[in-house]
Amino acid sequence: KAGVTQTPRYLIKTRGQQVTLSCSPISGHRSVSWYQQTPGQGLQFLFEYFSETQRNKGNFPGRFSGRQFSNSRSEMNVSTLELGDSALYLCASRYGINTDTQYFGPGTRLTVL
Amino acid sequence: DAKTTQPPSMDCAEGRAANLPCNHSTISGNEYVYWYRQIHSQGPQYIIHGLKNNETNEMASLIITEDRKSSTLILPHATLRDTAVYYCIVRGGFAGKLIFGQGTELSVKP
Repeated sequence: KAGVTQTPRYLIKTRGQQVTLSCSPISGHRSVSWYQQTPGQGLQFLFEYFSETQRNKGNFPGRFSGRQFSNSRSEMNVSTLELGDSALYLCASRYGINTDTQYFGPGTRLTVL
Repeated sequence: DAKTTQPPSMDCAEGRAANLPCNHSTISGNEYVYWYRQIHSQGPQYIIHGLKNNETNEMASLIITEDRKSSTLILPHATLRDTAVYYCIVRGGFAGKLIFGQGTELSVKP
């Protein structure tokens, strides 16, 4: 079974721009979570989607948003990019919303100049 | 979710067992212990998880103390490819949120 896939793998943007990242979960998985990883803050939870609904949200500003489609694929969007948004953005999927194990994708490396 | 404490770094000789400790003294009855590892700049890789009993899979063994306040991840025959940051996470309930600490940076040396 194919793992979690994320596109693009690398991205360079400038301050003020917006960006959209994509995540395709493992086949059959209906929950997708997003995380941000920076050297200073480590791995931090952004939000989780299940059945096209946001179920849980981390402590990030409203510039960070996401959505999930009926095929469980998910996108996250960051508007008005700041230098501090440079990070590895990770997507994780799991089958349901109980205690199922999350499996991570390879991440998208975003650099903001 | 309970907080975990791990040593920042450990060394292990190739071929020997790597024993990575984790303290989670505030863990509650319905919280699981999860272990992930992250090889440089890749996505975290799931290793193993458990509730009360010791667990073993093809990658590792997880030993949880009887009072559940600490656990040890054992890689029985460490290889150079096991060099990574290992995260111990306690998670309960239905939330999809994993709280990652700083983890243990394991260096496997020839």
